Amino acid sequence: KNEVEQSPQNLTAQEGEFITINCSYSVGISALHWLQQHPGGGIVSLFMLSSGKKKHGRLIATINIQEKHSSLHITASHPRDSAVYICAVISGGATNKLIFGTGTLLAVQP
Amino acid sequence: DAGVTQSPTHLIKTRGQQVTLRCSPKSGHDTVSWYQQALGQGPQFIFQYYEEEERQRGNFPDRFSGHQFPNYSSELNVNALLLGDSALYLCASSLTVTGNTIYFGEGSWLTVV
Repeated sequence: KNEVEQSPQNLTAQEGEFITINCSYSVGISALHWLQQHPGGGIVSLFMLSSGKKKHGRLIATINIQEKHSSLHITASHPRDSAVYICAVISGGATNKLIFGTGTLLAVQP
Repeated sequence: DAGVTQSPTHLIKTRGQQVTLRCSPKSGHDTVSWYQQALGQGPQFIFQYYEEEERQRGNFPDRFSGHQFPNYSSELNVNALLLGDSALYLCASSLTVTGNTIYFGEGSWLTVV
């Protein structure tokens, strides 16, 4: 079993829909990242969370440390949001080593 | 301020050859981590460098080695390439203090034929 699990693995939505991607982890963490990866390969960090909730534009990320669960929400989705969304955790200790989930492939259709 | 830069962006090598990938971290960052991402999978941690030393290593064979220079830039070397080494190699930089934002490069696509 992976230490970081994401669901769903694939998601197709219509433009304008509200989207939720979930992440559960089984290790102790010091922080959690939500990342976006486009087909070209480059990864962009969307959020880094250690507690609570963060919002940036149409994106909202929440984390519940007790339940070891985080969610990424996209409001008013748009085709340009189509990408792979990856949850990654920093498992504590002295390094910033990331443990990645397998990603959620999101396709937003016009 | 340039972010994380990696080179080359794409390369093709033959089985048994050796490859060197390069990474320049974001300005001010002192820690560089390398990840391997096979097609359709999430990235896997290879190793991390700080103060020119390998600080932590993932589950990769000794064919994978690295180096960090005094200016914090880093190299990833892979010897005796196998077909299975074909992947996107990502470099990430950060400040050594845990919990800081991590920045990723665009990656180097390696194809082994």
